[in-house]
Amino acid sequence: SQKIEQNSEALNIQEGKTATLTCNYTNYSPAYLQWYRQDPGRGPVFLLLIRENEKEKRKERLKVTFDTTLKQSLFHITASQPADSATYLCALADYYKLSFGAGTTVTVRA
Amino acid sequence: DSGVTQTPKHLITATGQRVTLRCSPRSGDLSVYWYQQSLDQGLQFLIQYYNGEERAKGNILERFSAQQFPDLHSELNLSSLELGDSALYFCASSVDLAGRNEQYFGPGTRLTVT
Repeated sequence: SQKIEQNSEALNIQEGKTATLTCNYTNYSPAYLQWYRQDPGRGPVFLLLIRENEKEKRKERLKVTFDTTLKQSLFHITASQPADSATYLCALADYYKLSFGAGTTVTVRA
Repeated sequence: DSGVTQTPKHLITATGQRVTLRCSPRSGDLSVYWYQQSLDQGLQFLIQYYNGEERAKGNILERFSAQQFPDLHSELNLSSLELGDSALYFCASSVDLAGRNEQYFGPGTRLTVT
């Protein structure tokens, strides 16, 4: 069956450092991969989308890579800030639906 | 503000009851998705509608049903409620089908079954 795994349940980093989150998947060949941010008790917010034929995508301090051979996506937050503290969700997409990973909670210490 | 509205914000009901959750998508979006999020299950896809037609089903129980109306708003009906149905229910919308378009999530409805 399809499986999506995101790295360690929580990531604690110092302000200004780079946070790197991992999303691994098995038994899946997604055409697209998306990343969302979720704050406690609120709906997820879209951050980035990357297609299977793209290796890397950037948006401001965020960078996503997508390696379909390794079946892995890496999500980087550079120059992290306390306001970046949240849970980040990886979502694999086929034509009709998204399947979400469990998420990685990031806490950025001032 | 994502532009997606959900009502009610909170719902407390007893086991065995039936409830209806309502969602209005962003203006112009034709696709509506329903998700369930509980502490131990993460965000689970339930069902998707596109311009009034059901297009994809996920882990939706037979006790649950949904529909999308001509004005594109959607309702999720949950019946014979059990304690385990307590969760946050999110509605999301997108301009087109999933995957190649970002989804915009509503604020959610928190359902508590006692």
